[in-house]
Amino acid sequence: SAVISQKPSRDICQRGTSLTIQCQVDSQVTMMFWYRQQPGQSLTLIATANQGSEATYESGFVIDKFPISRPNLTFSTLTVSNMSPEDSSIYLCSVDNVLAGLVSTDTQYFGPGTRLTVL
Amino acid sequence: AQKVTQAQTEISVVEKEDVTLDCVYETRDTTYYLFWYKQPPSGELVFLIRRNSFDEQNEISGRYSWNFQKSTSSFNFTITASQVVDSAVYFCALSEALAYKYIFGTGTRLKVLA
Repeated sequence: SAVISQKPSRDICQRGTSLTIQCQVDSQVTMMFWYRQQPGQSLTLIATANQGSEATYESGFVIDKFPISRPNLTFSTLTVSNMSPEDSSIYLCSVDNVLAGLVSTDTQYFGPGTRLTVL
Repeated sequence: AQKVTQAQTEISVVEKEDVTLDCVYETRDTTYYLFWYKQPPSGELVFLIRRNSFDEQNEISGRYSWNFQKSTSSFNFTITASQVVDSAVYFCALSEALAYKYIFGTGTRLKVLA
């Protein structure tokens, strides 16, 4: 499976500021996903990020609050904008482990997550 | 609508005991995938298994085994001879074929006591 890294691993931020989280994969992948896991809760999909197209956001998540970039097949960023304490969560990126142009494995592999605390 | 239910919020066992984590799912699709992931205290989600809806064979991997029963819409996970390192939150998930979107259960926190 692909090796996925995220930066930062954790951060403590002030209300009203923004944080950009990076997700780097060691191989080319078609599909990248961003999830939020609020404290003690399950995972919720924020958006799907495909290279060369706009991210597709799930209900309840908007681009102004969570802008996403996907400049190439191995990298993506998620920005949490104008943060409030309710944004305190673990943010995880995942990839469908497939080389560009080949058949999906229909299995997502996850990065180590970014623990965000907003004061 | 798709739904995954993990009714067990938290389970505590003593080391070397066997433990089964329950997962019940709902879907109208005939083609779908079921998954189990482990989330240790470090926070990373570790992939354990994927099963497609046409493959009802049970699977064993070391101390782990999975029982998939379409008749009861269940995909249960058993750890045999549990160890302290098994302590984690375990998530069951469902996805439709080619839909890419996972529906996660609420997770079961397993505590294995020495």
